Amino acid sequence: TQLLEQSPQFLSIQEGENLTVYCNSSSVFSSLQWYRQEPGEGPVLLVTVVTGGEVKKLKRLTFQFGDARKDSSLHITAAQPGDTGLYLCAGEGRASGTYKYIFGTGTRLKVLA
Amino acid sequence: NAGVTQTPKFQVLKTGQSMTLQCAQDMNHEYMSWYRQDPGMGLRLIHYSVGAGITDQGEVPNGYNVSRSTTEDFPLRLLSAAPSQTSVYFCASSYSLAGGHYNEQFFGPGTRLTVL
Repeated sequence: TQLLEQSPQFLSIQEGENLTVYCNSSSVFSSLQWYRQEPGEGPVLLVTVVTGGEVKKLKRLTFQFGDARKDSSLHITAAQPGDTGLYLCAGEGRASGTYKYIFGTGTRLKVLA
Repeated sequence: NAGVTQTPKFQVLKTGQSMTLQCAQDMNHEYMSWYRQDPGMGLRLIHYSVGAGITDQGEVPNGYNVSRSTTEDFPLRLLSAAPSQTSVYFCASSYSLAGGHYNEQFFGPGTRLTVL
């Protein structure tokens, strides 16, 4: 069974601070995605990383895929209240020739003004 | 495009009742999936489909059935509802990219189900 563990589970920080969220697994994923979810809505994609060691930037957000494609991190610089939400990583796994997305346990971020 | 639509938005069932959660997408995506979201547990895959007529089990399939007779629709059936199935259910769709990867999943707004 493929599992994705995220840490921390909860994070409350002041506006302007930096933070990093981690997504770890013992399994290899063919790609990994990060989503953000607002209350009462479905998750919305932020980024997809495919190549081991890949780094992608989306404004103040930096995403990295581990060299072995088993882990990923999300770094937010100078967090703003608009960054508040639930952050989810999702690994695209391939087992027995089928395609499954496995989601992490989530990191709930609150940025205080 | 309406994207991914789910009905109903809210539902209350009694233990033992059955019901079908509806999911439809108008983006001609071949990949569709159902997840349940519980506090502190992220999203867990129930069933998924890579095309019409093809379905497979996810992480937590027990107590649920699916079918995919058309590309657009992917209903989720609860056979005999139990309190442990109280959750928020999300349907999602996606399409494949060159190289065999799938693109982002587009999620519906969710169905909040309570089983008494």
